Amino acid sequence: SQKIEQNSEALNIQEGKTATLTCNYTNYSPAYLQWYRQDPGRGPVFLLLIRENEKEKRKERLKVTFDTTLKQSLFHITASQPADSATYLCAPISGSARQLTFGSGTQLTVLP
Amino acid sequence: DAGVIQSPRHEVTEMGQEVTLRCKPISGHNSLFWYRQTMMRGLELLIYFNNNVPIDDSGMPEDRFSAKMPNASFSTLKIQPSEPRDSAVYFCASSSTGTGGVYSNQPQHFGDGTRLSIL
Repeated sequence: SQKIEQNSEALNIQEGKTATLTCNYTNYSPAYLQWYRQDPGRGPVFLLLIRENEKEKRKERLKVTFDTTLKQSLFHITASQPADSATYLCAPISGSARQLTFGSGTQLTVLP
Repeated sequence: DAGVIQSPRHEVTEMGQEVTLRCKPISGHNSLFWYRQTMMRGLELLIYFNNNVPIDDSGMPEDRFSAKMPNASFSTLKIQPSEPRDSAVYFCASSSTGTGGVYSNQPQHFGDGTRLSIL
């Protein structure tokens, strides 16, 4: 069955460092992968989309990579700030599924 | 720009009662999604509509759940009768349709959810 795994439920890092979040998938061939941010009591907010033929995508301090051989996407936040503290969700989407399936999320805490 | 609007934000009711959750998608979006989020199961897709037509309801847990989209600006998710295990946060999301018809790679815009507690 299709499975999405995001690295450890919680990740704590020091302000100014780079946070790296991992999304691994199995029994999947996603054509796209999206990353969302969710704050407590709020709905997820879209951050970035990367296509299978793109190795890397950047947006300000955010960078996403997509390795279809390793079946993995990495999400990086450089120069992290306490305001980046949130839960981050990955969501692969394949043509056959026709909809997003979300990982369980990684809770990131950036310590001042 | 108004985002996706859900009501109520919180609902507490007794087991067996009917519950109706409401959603107003972003104007111009033609896809609408209902999700349920719990600690145990994460974010699960229940049903989605394209151009007001239900496309896939395979995520709806039981016949007690039903969803409608009578027009492009309104959708409801109904649970009747409700049970304690239905307690969760229910999200509505909308998006525009990308290339490929109902297959969409477009970002989804979520409401802030309805926190449902069934006693």
